[in-house]
Amino acid sequence: GNSVTQMEGPVTLSEEAFLTINCTYTATGYPSLFWYVQYPGEGLQLLLKATKADDKGSNKGFEATYRKETTSFHLEKGSVQVSDSAVYFCAPISSVTLIFGKGTKLSVKP
Amino acid sequence: SAVISQKPSRDICQRGTSLTIQCQVDSQVTMMFWYRQQPGQSLTLIATANQGSEATYESGFVIDKFPISRPNLTFSTLTVSNMSPEDSSIYLCSVRLLRQGSDTGELFFGEGSRLTVL
Repeated sequence: GNSVTQMEGPVTLSEEAFLTINCTYTATGYPSLFWYVQYPGEGLQLLLKATKADDKGSNKGFEATYRKETTSFHLEKGSVQVSDSAVYFCAPISSVTLIFGKGTKLSVKP
Repeated sequence: SAVISQKPSRDICQRGTSLTIQCQVDSQVTMMFWYRQQPGQSLTLIATANQGSEATYESGFVIDKFPISRPNLTFSTLTVSNMSPEDSSIYLCSVRLLRQGSDTGELFFGEGSRLTVL
């Protein structure tokens, strides 16, 4: 069946550290890949997306590349800030699948 | 994009009662969904709200417990019936837009309705 495996948290980093949150998936068809972010007390917001192989989504210093051969969409940021503290969800979405990863909680300490 | 308004934003409910959550979208959308996010957990799809017909429920969710209405393309309601403490969750309305006739797959979310059942 369809599934997504996301790196478990919580992840605690110091400000300006490098961040990687791994995400791999199995899905029917050819999904679009999304990262959503949920800041404390708020709803989900789209962080970035990629709709075809080798596309790179980017936003707010975050990047993720659609790797079809490894069915992965790892999230990276070169230098995290305290304001990046949130829960991050990986989501492969197609006409068939509407699934989210379990979420990775990131805490960035000053 | 789409602006989604949900209400109530939060409520405290008594066991055995029912509560209806409303979702209003600022544009006509084809696909509307209801998700549940239990404390510290990811999102679980409850159902797809179909305009003018019965909702399509995911495994583990039934109409008697979570009746859904969608009278038009901009509005939907989710009722959580006969609530128990296990129903304490955030309930999220979500929509998917077509852009220039194609489906980007992108979901937009309301801010959620946080229910606490005592």
